[in-house]
Amino acid sequence: DGGITQSPKYLFRKEGQNVTLSCEQNLNHDAMYWYRQDPGQGLRLIYYSQIVNDFQKGDIAEGYSVSREKKESFPLTVTSAQKNPTAFYLCASSLLADPSYNEQFFGPGTRLTVL
Amino acid sequence: GENVGLHLPTLSVQEGDNSIINCAYSNSASDYFIWYKQESGKGPQFIIDIRSNMDKRQGQRVTVLLNKTVKHLSLQIAATQPGDSAVYFCAEMSGSARQLTFGSGTQLTVLP
Repeated sequence: DGGITQSPKYLFRKEGQNVTLSCEQNLNHDAMYWYRQDPGQGLRLIYYSQIVNDFQKGDIAEGYSVSREKKESFPLTVTSAQKNPTAFYLCASSLLADPSYNEQFFGPGTRLTVL
Repeated sequence: GENVGLHLPTLSVQEGDNSIINCAYSNSASDYFIWYKQESGKGPQFIIDIRSNMDKRQGQRVTVLLNKTVKHLSLQIAATQPGDSAVYFCAEMSGSARQLTFGSGTQLTVLP
């Protein structure tokens, strides 16, 4: 089955610890994205990557880091510098073409709770 | 049932009625729009999309209308069912980076 997987579904960490969220896709999509969602709110873009070994900051990149060593993988690290890390984290991917009118496909999300 | 703008984030409709969810987008340069459905604790699911060179697009039980003059997007759901209960987000895309900007969402509740 093709799709996007995120693991784990629930994650608990102590304050001050770094934590890495996994995102894998087997859709052969070029671009991958990380969003943060707070209760009752929309999605805000953290980082995105359009090609391997390259990524750009989104609207709320402070306190987060990413890597894109493989096309199918885009892990997100929530560092201790992120002041309010408890949230629902969503990974997405899409094809890129010129021009591109392709929707983003979302994974099931990881709910991170910092104690 | 119908909501107007993002100041009314909750919409309740009777099962079988039609629903209209509205969205005011921000960027006049946006050229692609998507409606997503998000059930509690899950990732958003694509419903329907529309390009800026169109003003209407229909899918199965859903219709999206685009009014570029007033930067307004709407999602119509025909014969609303209990399984339609979810939060609905509109998203707009613009620029060479093809980033999506999401609205704050509308909670649709279908009453029996």
